[in-house]
Amino acid sequence: EVQLVESGGDLVQPGGSLKLSCAASGFTFSSHWMSWVRQAAGKGLEWVANIKPDGSDKHYVDSVMGRFTISRDNAKNSLYLQMNSLRADDTAVYYCVSGKYGSGNVCDYWGQGTLVTVSS
Amino acid sequence: AIRITQSPSSLSASTGDRVTITCRASQDTRSYLAWYQQKPGKAPKLLIYAASTLQSGVPSRFSGSGSGTDFTLTISCLQSEDFATYYCQQYYSYPITFGQGTRLEIK
Repeated sequence: EVQLVESGGDLVQPGGSLKLSCAASGFTFSSHWMSWVRQAAGKGLEWVANIKPDGSDKHYVDSVMGRFTISRDNAKNSLYLQMNSLRADDTAVYYCVSGKYGSGNVCDYWGQGTLVTVSS
Repeated sequence: AIRITQSPSSLSASTGDRVTITCRASQDTRSYLAWYQQKPGKAPKLLIYAASTLQSGVPSRFSGSGSGTDFTLTISCLQSEDFATYYCQQYYSYPITFGQGTRLEIK
């Protein structure tokens, strides 16, 4: 059974930093594109970033470019999102998402989400 | 960025009804379009990808069609468990973008 378990969400002040983690199991993590997708309370889905299976290629939405960094450790079956210079509009539930094999930008499996709140 | 416009934003229907949700992309996305279902407090679930390919385990009452800029999701005979919010997503080009969602409610 595929499992994606996020952790690291917290209350942080504007301008602060936070690192999210996602522990993956039940599939060959090192073969799949992985993404972070976020959702503000009562709002729609927003794709944040993704990373190639070997970590050599990464993409970001413009609003987080230069502030967020996606990374992975295939030996640990783990995905990360380092978030710096956080702003109030980064407040959201952040989902760890696996890409469908052969079509990596299709969001195949989703974690339960971790809440990031940016507020003073 | 490719903008995705979903319509309607909300829809009331009854069990047994046939409903259609539409997504229009601001640019050609070929068939790189997926549909997701989200229930309150839960993560989204993949229903359809490549515009019309049903994800494994998804009931056949769900179907997708379209290519280029215009796409539809059809639920042929609504069941109680289908009342949820539906999102489309284009994955033809970066940044990947989602529609704003369609909330399907019980009439």
